[in-house]
Amino acid sequence: QVQLQESGPGLVKPSETLSLTCAVSGYSISSGYYWGWIRQPPGKGLEWIGSIYHSGSTYYNPSLKSRVTISVDTSKNQFSLKLSSVTAADTAVYYCARLYYDILTGYLQDFDYWGQGTLVTVSS
Amino acid sequence: QSALTQPASVSGSPGQSITISCTGTSSDVGSYNLVSWYQQHPGKAPKLMIYEVSKRPSGVSNRFSGSKSGNTASLTISGLQAEDEADYYCCSYAGSSTYVVFGGGTKLTVL
Repeated sequence: QVQLQESGPGLVKPSETLSLTCAVSGYSISSGYYWGWIRQPPGKGLEWIGSIYHSGSTYYNPSLKSRVTISVDTSKNQFSLKLSSVTAADTAVYYCARLYYDILTGYLQDFDYWGQGTLVTVSS
Repeated sequence: QSALTQPASVSGSPGQSITISCTGTSSDVGSYNLVSWYQQHPGKAPKLMIYEVSKRPSGVSNRFSGSKSGNTASLTISGLQAEDEADYYCCSYAGSSTYVVFGGGTKLTVL
């Protein structure tokens, strides 16, 4: 059973960097799939932030790309998100998820396993 | 503003069928058979219900079905049940510069 668990500070000050980690159990990150971050502001819809492969290859949402860094640590079977220069607009529940990737086409397809999500509030 | 357009809300009575639309463009929904649908109950993580337009993951009821025509994908739920009341989101691959886009979500109310 694949399980994902987000962790990190629940409160971040404006202009600082938001940092979260997603620990994966029941599946080796090195075995394949992309691994991604999705966020959901309170009362609003889902927004894809970006995704990473075990090799370190990344794809980012163009609207967030300048502020986002996603990294992977295969030895710990986890991946991480850093979002810099945060504002109140970055307040959201942040989810990590496994993303199916078709190795033949290079297309990112669907998120089949999700973490429970963690609320990050940006406030002074 | 979301990249994919969904109705804000739909409703139906138990036993009825409803359809939720998801309209994109020729750069996403129209170009790839890679639309997925997610169900989200309040305070819970989204759950994959449909992938690759019309395929169901193991364990998902066959009351859920998906289809696509042109730039619009649809999720149909037949034999509505109280537990189907939730928010539903569509998602599509959007090519090698945008990659992944979500719809704004649709709140399904079972009357």
